[in-house]
Amino acid sequence: SQQGEEDPQALSIQEGENATMNCSYKTSINNLQWYRQNSGRGLVHLILIRSNEREKHSGRLRVTLDTSKKSSSLLITASRAADTASYFCATAIDSGNTPLVFGKGTRLSVIA
Amino acid sequence: SQTIHQWPATLVQPVGSPLSLECTVEGTSNPNLYWYRQAAGRGLQLLFYSVGIGQISSEVPQNLSASRPQDRQFILSSKKLLLSDSGFYLCAWSAFRVWEIYAEAFFGQGTRLTVV
Repeated sequence: SQQGEEDPQALSIQEGENATMNCSYKTSINNLQWYRQNSGRGLVHLILIRSNEREKHSGRLRVTLDTSKKSSSLLITASRAADTASYFCATAIDSGNTPLVFGKGTRLSVIA
Repeated sequence: SQTIHQWPATLVQPVGSPLSLECTVEGTSNPNLYWYRQAAGRGLQLLFYSVGIGQISSEVPQNLSASRPQDRQFILSSKKLLLSDSGFYLCAWSAFRVWEIYAEAFFGQGTRLTVV
């Protein structure tokens, strides 16, 4: 079963604009992670935010986490054509030995 | 540094034929290992995961099986493939850390399986 649900399913923007993707989840988590997947390739880890953190930055990426709303957002600033990919959130839940559960992803297209 | 190898990259198999996909990890010990499947344009479905040699947890009952004969080797198998087994299969590993449940996962490049 899928824990995270990304929104929107697809997003198309112009180069230079900011892209915001959202993720909602259902259960208590230990951490939430964002991954990127280029077409036909494996996923690449972008950023991890722990449940006791509210915001994290990495280069042009900004991730927020609201555990009260069980939601997270990924902001990519000053987007580039090379940012075109699918972006997934994944959650590590707070108990047991359950591995990462991924959402269905957001397909981002950045038009030059 | 750690690397993960997954092969083959593409595979076309007839219905009813067997399957064996292999994944190996280098540069780390006792990794957690995972097999995911991704249908076209969809998210990742966890198939199997393993926290140690011979320890396999199955998430989805189906005609697939997994084995971990060595610490850094994870194999996905089927005795008889179905059309519905077509998809993009991804192997991944993560390091278990006591202070953090499931740190980041590292993925192989995937195997595109087409059952015809």
